[in-house]
Amino acid sequence: GAVVSQHPSWVICKSGTSVKIECRSLDFQATTMFWYRQFPKQSLMLMATSNEGSKATYEQGVEKDKFLINHASLTLSTLTVTSAHPEDSSFYICSAREGLAGLLQYFGPGTRLTVT
Amino acid sequence: AQTVTQSQPEMSVQEAETVTLSCTYDTSENNYYLFWYKQPPSRQMILVIRQEAYKQQNATENRFSVNFQKAAKSFSLKISDSQLGDTAMYFCAFTSYSGAGSYQLTFGKGTKLSVIP
Repeated sequence: GAVVSQHPSWVICKSGTSVKIECRSLDFQATTMFWYRQFPKQSLMLMATSNEGSKATYEQGVEKDKFLINHASLTLSTLTVTSAHPEDSSFYICSAREGLAGLLQYFGPGTRLTVT
Repeated sequence: AQTVTQSQPEMSVQEAETVTLSCTYDTSENNYYLFWYKQPPSRQMILVIRQEAYKQQNATENRFSVNFQKAAKSFSLKISDSQLGDTAMYFCAFTSYSGAGSYQLTFGKGTKLSVIP
């Protein structure tokens, strides 16, 4: 149980275009989902926390107009990178927390974004 | 704000031997949780072990055990009988109840472990 999927696993897009990444909890309801960014050989940096049905909370330094997060249902959150630029190329990982007081985060397999 | 420090960027161990990865953290919280996550080349994050701060007994999961020293704010991971599949990045992580119910994770920078045949 507690499986989180991400789609796509790998995407290449041209500079200036937008790309959407989906994060789904497959066998549980995720009240809260998290989005992380990971540069090569570095740690995970939290970008934002999203709660189902409400606006995401972004970490300091993360542009909310560039990284649009939608958590419209208890099993789906999306991250849209708008007007992507090469510096947005990175590995994006989502995680999901079960229920209102769940401690553990279950991680998706990640999405590699390359902007050319 | 909480911080997590992993002072060993890279380590290697001979297959079947034992290795210890270090982690220290800083917090003013009294109730919190600590984790070790493994990220193999596939980049899927895998929970290895967790420790509740209120528990004095060190957590163990098969070949993985921790040495939790609350006063020293130290949380090291010991891997016994190392296997080739243990080759991965290992991240130490901290979380506490943030008040918003989110239990956000704070990660260390990671230790790259290579198991040598």
